Amino acid sequence: TQLLEQSPQFLSIQEGENLTVYCNSSSVFSSLQWYRQEPGEGPVLLVTVVTGGEVKKLKRLTFQFGDARKDSSLHITAAQPGDTGLYLCAGVSGTYKYIFGTGTRLKVLA
Amino acid sequence: DTEVTQTPKHLVMGMTNKKSLKCEQHMGHRAMYWYKQKAKKPPELMFVYSYEKLSINESVPSRFSPECPNSSLLNLHLHALQPEDSALYLCASSQPTSGRAKREQYFGPGTRLTVT
Repeated sequence: TQLLEQSPQFLSIQEGENLTVYCNSSSVFSSLQWYRQEPGEGPVLLVTVVTGGEVKKLKRLTFQFGDARKDSSLHITAAQPGDTGLYLCAGVSGTYKYIFGTGTRLKVLA
Repeated sequence: DTEVTQTPKHLVMGMTNKKSLKCEQHMGHRAMYWYKQKAKKPPELMFVYSYEKLSINESVPSRFSPECPNSSLLNLHLHALQPEDSALYLCASSQPTSGRAKREQYFGPGTRLTVT
């Protein structure tokens, strides 16, 4: 069974702080996606990484795919209250299977 | 446009009711998905349709019945649900490409279902 473990599970930080969320697996994925989800809403796709070692930036968010395509990280610089939400990674396995991580709940305090 | 729409936004139904959830996408995607999400948990896959045919059924109880009338529409028919079926139901779509293409999956806003 493929699993994606995210850490930390919960994070409460002050506005302006930096943070990193990790997404780890023992399985290799063809690509990996990061989503942010707000309560009662659907996940919103932030980024897709495909190549091992790939780094992508989206404003203050930096995403990295591990060299072996088994893990990924999300780094947020100078977090803002608008970054609050549930962050989910999802590894793509096969044509239709998206293996979701356990989720990281982030709260940024003003 | 990367929009997936879902109706209704909220649904309250009794255990003897029959209702349907609807999903629509106009991105030309040929794979559509139903997920169930309980509070503070990641989405759980229920069904996948590919090219309007049911490809994956994750052992979902028969009280949930999916339907894909055409490449843009996906329905989930509900009958004789249980209170434990209360959850956020998410629709998603993607393009079933091969190899290590991006295969990005886009979600709708969800339907919050409460079974009383």
